[in-house]
Amino acid sequence: GESVGLHLPTLSVQEGDNSIINCAYSNSASDYFIWYKQESGKGPQFIIDIRSNMDKRQGQRVTVLLNKTVKHLSLQIAATQPGDSAVYFCAENEGAQKLVFGQGTRLTINP
Amino acid sequence: DVKVTQSSRYLVKRTGEKVFLECVQDMDHENMFWYRQDPGLGLRLIYFSYDVKMKEKGDIPEGYSVSREKKERFSLILESASTNQTSMYLCASMGRPHEQYFGPGTRLTVT
Repeated sequence: GESVGLHLPTLSVQEGDNSIINCAYSNSASDYFIWYKQESGKGPQFIIDIRSNMDKRQGQRVTVLLNKTVKHLSLQIAATQPGDSAVYFCAENEGAQKLVFGQGTRLTINP
Repeated sequence: DVKVTQSSRYLVKRTGEKVFLECVQDMDHENMFWYRQDPGLGLRLIYFSYDVKMKEKGDIPEGYSVSREKKERFSLILESASTNQTSMYLCASMGRPHEQYFGPGTRLTVT
């Protein structure tokens, strides 16, 4: 079946630098792509989403880019802070209700 | 704020026991989900429900059943727990399309 996956399982960045987390997807019929953040001991938390008819969306310190040509999604975090340490999941919708999640990327921040 | 609560954070059960995991949401959402989360495998959908008494199988329903008698409550049942069901179980409810709100998770150990 089609699936969502991540290029890298771990990412380590210096505090204050920008972080870029990547995701590859294979279902070209998906309408929405979503990023979740999961901190240790907690459930995933919605960060930002993007519709398939957009190529960029910005939030507070985060930007999601969608490249439908190569089926690639990325999450950029500006000025990474210690509180950004978490596992980040991309997800795509499957129909009206279901989400398919990637395996996750662990982001660690070096002081 | 949406609140999704799960009955236990940690649970230890013996092989063959019947296990109930409870999830409650307070936002009158119609759609609720049960996932399991395992290292390297991301979140996998077990079952979901789009209304009271309605349920749909997810990607890995074998060994599980669910119950949705009231809109706010979605229960996951392990009829006869096995060691391969040791995992983190996450419940979610869905408000606006594709935005799922997760509970804190239940870490189940089957010995």
